[in-house]
Amino acid sequence: EAGVAQSPRYKIIEKRQSVAFWCNPISGHATLYWYQQILGQGPKLLIQFQNNGVVDDSQLPKDRFSAERLKGVDSTLKIQPAKLEDSAVYLCASSFRRVDTEAFFGQGTRLTVV
Amino acid sequence: GENVEQHPSTLSVQEGDSAVIKCTYSDSASNYFPWYKQELGKRPQLIIDIRSNVGEKKDQRIAVTLNKTAKHFSLHITETQPEDSAVYFCAASRANNAGKSTFGDGTTLTVKP
Repeated sequence: EAGVAQSPRYKIIEKRQSVAFWCNPISGHATLYWYQQILGQGPKLLIQFQNNGVVDDSQLPKDRFSAERLKGVDSTLKIQPAKLEDSAVYLCASSFRRVDTEAFFGQGTRLTVV
Repeated sequence: GENVEQHPSTLSVQEGDSAVIKCTYSDSASNYFPWYKQELGKRPQLIIDIRSNVGEKKDQRIAVTLNKTAKHFSLHITETQPEDSAVYFCAASRANNAGKSTFGDGTTLTVKP
């Protein structure tokens, strides 16, 4: 089966610029997650969607980060304005449903803020 | 919230030896514990998971054990091979929201041929 697709794979921007990441989950997967993985650390959940609704965004820095999943399929994560500490890999994951099913990860977008 | 600690941060073994990675968690409501393998520049991939209604699970050379009372769980890899070299992450979540995981900071396993 096709996996979780993310683009771009790499992005370099200057601080205070804006950036957007795109995710296409596995077909039929209702639940979508965005994780931030800082170098040397485990992934940290930013936001979780169930279809097109937000389930949990408690760890999303809402002053600069936003995410949407308008039609319950693709999702975009935006940072505006970016800070140096936002340098990380942004991983998208999806699962068929919330209960009792594993999450499948995409390859991520590596963001470098200079 | 949940806090997961993972040890050691790096582990080097000779090919054929066993490797053990240990994790502790803080939230007694966590009942689903996946383990992920992440090769350099690649996506995390689930290699094994365990639910709190069992104490041990095995899949070929990989096994996980869970001690709910002590809130710790471990990954055991036997007969290690060079292709086992990667970063391994433990995680904890609730089965009613299994993909929403709190991860440990990872163990870099190096298997020397």
